Amino acid sequence: AQKVTQAQTEISVVEKEDVTLDCVYETRDTTYYLFWYKQPPSGELVFLIRRNSFDEQNEISGRYSWNFQKSTSSFNFTITASQVVDSAVYFCALSEDFSGGYNKLIFGAGTRLAVHP
Amino acid sequence: DAMVIQNPRYQVTQFGKPVTLSCSQTLNHNVMYWYQQKSSQAPKLLFHYYDKDFNNEADTPDNFQSRRPNTSFCFLDIRSPGLGDTAMYLCATRPITGTANYGYTFGSGTRLTVV
Repeated sequence: AQKVTQAQTEISVVEKEDVTLDCVYETRDTTYYLFWYKQPPSGELVFLIRRNSFDEQNEISGRYSWNFQKSTSSFNFTITASQVVDSAVYFCALSEDFSGGYNKLIFGAGTRLAVHP
Repeated sequence: DAMVIQNPRYQVTQFGKPVTLSCSQTLNHNVMYWYQQKSSQAPKLLFHYYDKDFNNEADTPDNFQSRRPNTSFCFLDIRSPGLGDTAMYLCATRPITGTANYGYTFGSGTRLTVV
């Protein structure tokens, strides 16, 4: 069975602090995809990143970076120099291989990040 | 240029009164999903279509039904809404293998309140 665990329910930081959101996943598939989504108070899910299981390269996009480690089944997300606009709920999600139409996106419980001025 | 459009954005319905939420897409994706997200919880998959093939999650209540009359449209029908069905309903689409984009595209959601 597939499972995504985000152990941090809520994180509170002061602006300009760095913050890391943890994500641990379980799957028996050898081919799978991992995602991070941001959900601001307005409710829409904003896609941040997709990573496939064969690509363990870390990625950086501006103040955002992601650390994928298959050895520990983790896909952690770091925000550098956090800003108030980063305040949102962040979801980590897992999907098995996309071949065929019967797979689905499994979400973790989410981490609520509050960035204070 | 919204590619997955959900209407309405907000919906208030009375307890027990049938309600339909709609989702349309301009992406021509084969797969469409409906997720339910209650307050402070993760989105939970209700069902999905792979073309016309309907796939229900085992724990989706019978009160929830879906229709997909064509590739572009998918509807979520709640036959007798209860107070516990108050939630955000998210529609998502996905192409199958063979295209460049393997990602899920979400709509903005419909916030349903049952009173």
